[in-house]
Amino acid sequence: GDSVTQMEGPVTLSEEAFLTINCTYTATGYPSLFWYVQYPGEGLQLLLKATKADDKGSNKGFEATYRKETTSFHLEKGSVQVSDSAVYFCALSRGYQKVTFGIGTKLQVIP
Amino acid sequence: NAGVTQTPKFQVLKTGQSMTLQCAQDMNHEYMSWYRQDPGMGLRLIHYSVGAGITDQGEVPNGYNVSRSTTEDFPLRLLSAAPSQTSVYFCASSYRDGDEQYFGPGTRLTVT
Repeated sequence: GDSVTQMEGPVTLSEEAFLTINCTYTATGYPSLFWYVQYPGEGLQLLLKATKADDKGSNKGFEATYRKETTSFHLEKGSVQVSDSAVYFCALSRGYQKVTFGIGTKLQVIP
Repeated sequence: NAGVTQTPKFQVLKTGQSMTLQCAQDMNHEYMSWYRQDPGMGLRLIHYSVGAGITDQGEVPNGYNVSRSTTEDFPLRLLSAAPSQTSVYFCASSYRDGDEQYFGPGTRLTVT
């Protein structure tokens, strides 16, 4: 079956540091890939997405590229802020509501 | 637009009690889903619906029922609560199949 692998963390960074959160997946066909962010006490909200190989999703300084050859969708940001502290979920969808989420990576950014 | 709303925000039940978690969306989305979030396990799909009158089971459906009589509402029923159902429950909706989902704020349920 489908699966998404990401580290649980926490990942602790100083403000303005470079962020990478790795995400790899296993799925048949050509799934759409997503990164969602969850702030404390809230539901998940979409951060970015990519629907086909080599697509790059970007939003709020975050980027991720859909790499079919390595089945990866790593999240990056050049300079994190304290306000980026949250839990980040990688997810894939093959349609018909078959969405698979990773376990979530907690990011802590310290001033 | 209120987006996706869920009630209640918190609930404590005793083993064996039943209850309904409410979910509503005002975006005219056809697709709606219920997830539970547990530490170290991400989100797992309980039930989903692809339109009014159409529902199907997800990954972890046992102990839960759903119905979809209108496009807006998608309630989740716990038939006889068990401690294993202690979790945070999220409702989500999407406009197109396989597209981004919009999540509600969640319901934190504790079963003692």
